Amino acid sequence: NAGVTQTPKFRILKIGQSMTLQCAQDMNHNYMYWYRQDPGMGLKLIYYSVGAGITDKGEVPNGYNVSRSTTEDFPLRLELAAPSQTSVYFCASRETATYEQYFGPGTRLTVT
Amino acid sequence: AQTVTQSQPEMSVQEAETVTLSCTYDTSESDYYLFWYKQPPSRQMILVIRQEAYKQQNATENRFSVNFQKAAKSFSLKISDSQLGDAAMYFCAYRRRDKIIFGKGTRLHILP
Repeated sequence: NAGVTQTPKFRILKIGQSMTLQCAQDMNHNYMYWYRQDPGMGLKLIYYSVGAGITDKGEVPNGYNVSRSTTEDFPLRLELAAPSQTSVYFCASRETATYEQYFGPGTRLTVT
Repeated sequence: AQTVTQSQPEMSVQEAETVTLSCTYDTSESDYYLFWYKQPPSRQMILVIRQEAYKQQNATENRFSVNFQKAAKSFSLKISDSQLGDAAMYFCAYRRRDKIIFGKGTRLHILP
């Protein structure tokens, strides 16, 4: 099992550009999450999904969009990138009946 | 709203000694879960220990144990026999149903 994979690992965007951060898991987990981690801070929940076709907002959803068309994939879309979106983005998944979240390796995004 | 507070931005401990990291949280719920995650320089998020709020017994995992005080809303992590590999950021986290809220973290240094 590859676990939770994220692509790309690093990306530099210009202000106003758009991009999609990819996240995939091969553990057949229903729950998937997107977090951002700003320097010196903890993780903040952007969006989450409890299953294919179902998504919901977290603490900091503004400027982002998500979709969940399959159990495996949970892409995060940034429209009109802003410097405030410079951060490390983590995707995570978990089974419905368990507690542990499995995290991907993160994507470091810089918007200049 | 639920919040998680880690009041110690940084701590240091001598190798082989014991250290305790503090965490307090705010909630009006009675059914929830608490976690400690470790984030080494590799950025990977690793679950260290978890505690179910309905359990009075404190969780332990090898050298890691917690002091869970539900009435005081306190959830501290004790690391015994500290090792160089314990050096990392440690995040306290609260989960209620589908969402997890993270604290800002404590950076732990291990002194040889």
